[in-house]
Amino acid sequence: EVQLVESGGGLVQPGGSLRLSCVVSGFTVGSNYMSWVRQAPGKGLEWVSIIYSGGRTYYADSVKGRFTISRDNSKNTLYLQMNSLRAEDTAVYFCARGLSWVFDCWGQGTLVTVSS
Amino acid sequence: DIQMTQSPSTLSASVGDRVTITCRASQSINSWLAWYQQKPGKAPKLLIYETSSLESGVPSRFSGSRSGTEFTLTISSLQPDDFATYYCQQYNSYSTFGQGTKLEIK
Repeated sequence: EVQLVESGGGLVQPGGSLRLSCVVSGFTVGSNYMSWVRQAPGKGLEWVSIIYSGGRTYYADSVKGRFTISRDNSKNTLYLQMNSLRAEDTAVYFCARGLSWVFDCWGQGTLVTVSS
Repeated sequence: DIQMTQSPSTLSASVGDRVTITCRASQSINSWLAWYQQKPGKAPKLLIYETSSLESGVPSRFSGSRSGTEFTLTISSLQPDDFATYYCQQYNSYSTFGQGTKLEIK
């Protein structure tokens, strides 16, 4: 059974850092496109970042230079390192498996709150 | 950046109705458009990709089409489980989601 489980969310002050994890089962994280998508409270979906099976990465302009996507194939885990966090980064962060840039399997999400 | 404009923002309908949700791209995205369904507190669920390809397990009452840069999601006969929020997503150039359409019970 395919499963994605995010963790690492929480309350952080503006300017702080947080690392999100997404442990997957039922498939290999290194053999698939993997992405992060976020949703601010009461708002729509926003694509954040993607890592290709070959390792190439892309970021939304809103997070470029502050967030870093990575993976650990040995742990079958996807990560999102978030630095210089801002209030507008407050959201539920979902990890998702990509059929290219189409996201066919999603985790349940982890809430990140940036507030003083 | 490619902008996706979804309409309507809210749609009230009854079980059995045929409903249509539209998504317009700010420039050509070819057929690189997907549709997702999201229920409150849950992750989105992929319904359709590449404009009209139905994801495995999705009921055939869902369909998608394209006319130029305008894309349509149609539900042929609404079922109680279909009341949710729907998002379009372009993936021709990076990825952008529409702002969502909330489908409510009339």
